Amino acid sequence: QITLKESGPTLVKPTQTLTLTCTFSGFSLSTSGVGVGWIRQPPGKALEWLALIYWDDDKRYSPSLKSRLTITKDTSKNQVVLTMTNMDPVDTATYYCAHSGWPTGYFDYWGQGTLVTVSS
Amino acid sequence: SYELTQPLSVSVALGQTARITCGGNNIGSKNVHWYQQKPGQAPVLVIYRDSNRPSGIPERFSGSNSGNTATLTISRAQAGDEADYYCQVWDSSTAFVFGGGTKLTVL
Repeated sequence: QITLKESGPTLVKPTQTLTLTCTFSGFSLSTSGVGVGWIRQPPGKALEWLALIYWDDDKRYSPSLKSRLTITKDTSKNQVVLTMTNMDPVDTATYYCAHSGWPTGYFDYWGQGTLVTVSS
Repeated sequence: SYELTQPLSVSVALGQTARITCGGNNIGSKNVHWYQQKPGQAPVLVIYRDSNRPSGIPERFSGSNSGNTATLTISRAQAGDEADYYCQVWDSSTAFVFGGGTKLTVL
């Protein structure tokens, strides 16, 4: 079955760079049509899509955060990495990774999420 | 950028029908997907491409989409349906867009 799990720091300081890793199983990012995305949710607030990478290395970013985000994949390790620069307290949120497909446009499997707090 | 508008909250009596709307400019021309999120849990896909249910989702969950409004309908509402519900579309300019979420209360 498909599973995804996020890992990374739980606490980062303002201005630092956040690096999150999504480790997945049950599918391969070398398979045509497969994608993995990142979505975040500040406490008590709505979901916000951040970035997605497809099997062919096509990358999509949220227009509002594009300048701060980088998404990469390591197919051999079944991992997707998201980096977000210049972290701010408003970036405090639970960060989820999720499986998607082209051209489905939805997220059908989600990780459990990881809470990242930005504070000095 | 494309925006989706949802009511902050919807209430429904136990056993009755709940309808949660998602508004967007000509949303009827897009595929709409719906997620259920219970407290402390990750979202779960409950409807994809307007009206399709993933395996394991009860038939009580249905969806429709036309004009400027998409609707998630939950029939015979149960206490276990209390959750936040999010609509989502894929837009050519913004890629993935989520609505602001609706809190469903079962009375």
